[in-house]
Amino acid sequence: DQQVKQNSPSLSVQEGRISILNCDYTNSMFDYFLWYKKYPAEGPTFLISISSIKDKNEDGRFTVFLNKSAKHLSLHIVPSQPGDSAVYFCAASVTNFGNEKLTFGTGTRLTIIP
Amino acid sequence: EAGVAQSPRYKIIEKRQSVAFWCNPISGHATLYWYQQILGQGPKLLIQFQNNGVVDDSQLPKDRFSAERLKGVDSTLKIQPAKLEDSAVYLCASSLDLAGRETQYFGPGTRLLVL
Repeated sequence: DQQVKQNSPSLSVQEGRISILNCDYTNSMFDYFLWYKKYPAEGPTFLISISSIKDKNEDGRFTVFLNKSAKHLSLHIVPSQPGDSAVYFCAASVTNFGNEKLTFGTGTRLTIIP
Repeated sequence: EAGVAQSPRYKIIEKRQSVAFWCNPISGHATLYWYQQILGQGPKLLIQFQNNGVVDDSQLPKDRFSAERLKGVDSTLKIQPAKLEDSAVYLCASSLDLAGRETQYFGPGTRLLVL
């Protein structure tokens, strides 16, 4: 049972334009969401997160939007740069008094075209 | 600050053989995680340690997988005997503490191929 879904395996975007990566979840208990970025032959690195009490969190060129009613979140990258080409994983967790286990999606490969 | 170190980076074995992976977390990080990432999927948590105690091993196939974190620092993950479906990247991650929303820092992973 895939509780966190990234339905687009790949996405290509022109440099300078906006990249929008989407993520859907089924477990209504999830209350914390994260995006990780992964380059080839490296481990994932934390990018940005959002708590369920917010609907938007911004960090520089990266903004995450959360729509709890639709169980959907998205990552916006503006403007997109060649170094943003990577695999992006959405992850979610449930508050459990410190034992917050991450459930990852299957990833979206973003390619920025120069 | 040094990152999470893992070795080996690559391993090829035949089915039914044994294999072990090693992880050295970021200094001072109390919590250590082992993930399995099968091709085309996201990382799946296998086991989580707080210092040298196991917090969660509910998704660890205990008939063939074992892990330990002696002295609460380094950790090893062992598979014995390996099956074809164990082919995956094994990622180690660490975080400062168990509590709250501590960021997990991942190592580069060990890519295992079982023939």
